[in-house]
Amino acid sequence: GENVEQHPSTLSVQEGDSAVIKCTYSDSASNYFPWYKQELGKRPQLIIDIRSNVGEKKDQRIAVTLNKTAKHFSLHITETQPEDSAVYFCAASRNFGNEKLTFGTGTRLTIIP
Amino acid sequence: EAGVAQSPRYKIIEKRQSVAFWCNPISGHATLYWYQQILGQGPKLLIQFQNNGVVDDSQLPKDRFSAERLKGVDSTLKIQPAKLEDSAVYLCASSLTGRRGGETQYFGPGTRLLVL
Repeated sequence: GENVEQHPSTLSVQEGDSAVIKCTYSDSASNYFPWYKQELGKRPQLIIDIRSNVGEKKDQRIAVTLNKTAKHFSLHITETQPEDSAVYFCAASRNFGNEKLTFGTGTRLTIIP
Repeated sequence: EAGVAQSPRYKIIEKRQSVAFWCNPISGHATLYWYQQILGQGPKLLIQFQNNGVVDDSQLPKDRFSAERLKGVDSTLKIQPAKLEDSAVYLCASSLTGRRGGETQYFGPGTRLLVL
């Protein structure tokens, strides 16, 4: 089955700086890669996703890059703000997301004011 | 649009007792997922339904866990008997499926279970 590894497990950055979280996946058939943000005690919420036919996607301060050859994808957050503090999960799925999501272990991001 | 609803939000039981969780997906969403999220880990799929049929239950501990989705809408997840290691948050998610952009899984607030 699919295995998703995520690094780092914790990340602290100064407000205004950039944060990068990296994930690797094992199943070459995976073709949909969402990122979820989970605040303490809250539900996971989708922040951005990418399909395997695209190498990069950007939405305001958030971007995701995908390297299919290396089976590697990353989340980039620029101009970080205190409200970006949360746990971020990457995930992978086959069938363009119409199958189960296999999640990484999460990255706790702390923005230092 | 209304989100995924779950109840109860919290449950404390003793080991060997039984417990049931309920989920109401977003209206019109054909696919429903139950995930288990142990503290400090990412969610792990327990079971996936499409309408009222099971698509994937390969990671469901069938000796103690059961789930159903009657009429292809609401779903219940049951644990009987519960073990200490079942302490976790049980998340329900739903998606449209079958349409471009329909792959997004929307999560409910979860049920936090503590087994003593």
